[in-house]
Amino acid sequence: DQQVKQNSPSLSVQEGRISILNCDYTNSMFDYFLWYKKYPAEGPTFLISISSIKDKNEDGRFTVFLNKSAKHLSLHIVPSQPGDSAVYFCAANPLGNEKLTFGTGTRLTIIP
Amino acid sequence: NAGVMQNPRHLVRRRGQEARLRCSPMKGHSHVYWYRQLPEEGLKFMVYLQKENIIDESGMPKERFSAEFPKEGPSILRIQQVVRGDSAAYFCASSPPVRIQETQYFGPGTRLLVL
Repeated sequence: DQQVKQNSPSLSVQEGRISILNCDYTNSMFDYFLWYKKYPAEGPTFLISISSIKDKNEDGRFTVFLNKSAKHLSLHIVPSQPGDSAVYFCAANPLGNEKLTFGTGTRLTIIP
Repeated sequence: NAGVMQNPRHLVRRRGQEARLRCSPMKGHSHVYWYRQLPEEGLKFMVYLQKENIIDESGMPKERFSAEFPKEGPSILRIQQVVRGDSAAYFCASSPPVRIQETQYFGPGTRLLVL
């Protein structure tokens, strides 16, 4: 049972444009959501998070939007840069439970 | 301020041998988590530990796998009698003591190959 779904395995975006990565979840107990970026042969790097009490969180070029009624979150990267090319994972956990559930990832390629 | 350290980065074992993976959390972090990533999949939770305590091991296979986080030294994930299906990347993460929600920071991983 895949509780966190990233339905796009890959995405290509022109440099300078906006990259939008999507994530859907089924568990209504999820309370905290995170995005990680992963380069090959490295560990996931934390990017940005959002709590269920918010619907938007922004950090520099990265913004995460949460739509609780749709059980959907998205990561916006603007402007996209070549160094953003990586696999992006969405993850979530319920309040009081530290076990993160990950999506399967989206491979983002920024085209120069 | 060093990040999460894992060693070895690569480990090759033959079927039936034992694998020991080590994880040193970030300074000031007392919580450690282990995740496994099979090829072309997302990370799957295995176990959550605090010093000398296993808090949640719901993701650990029932046999051959064990984890510890002693009072002194790194956390150890131990796999006995490895099989080919154990080949994967094993990631450790750490966080400070949890208040409400805490971000987990990951190490570079250990890539285990079972021949």
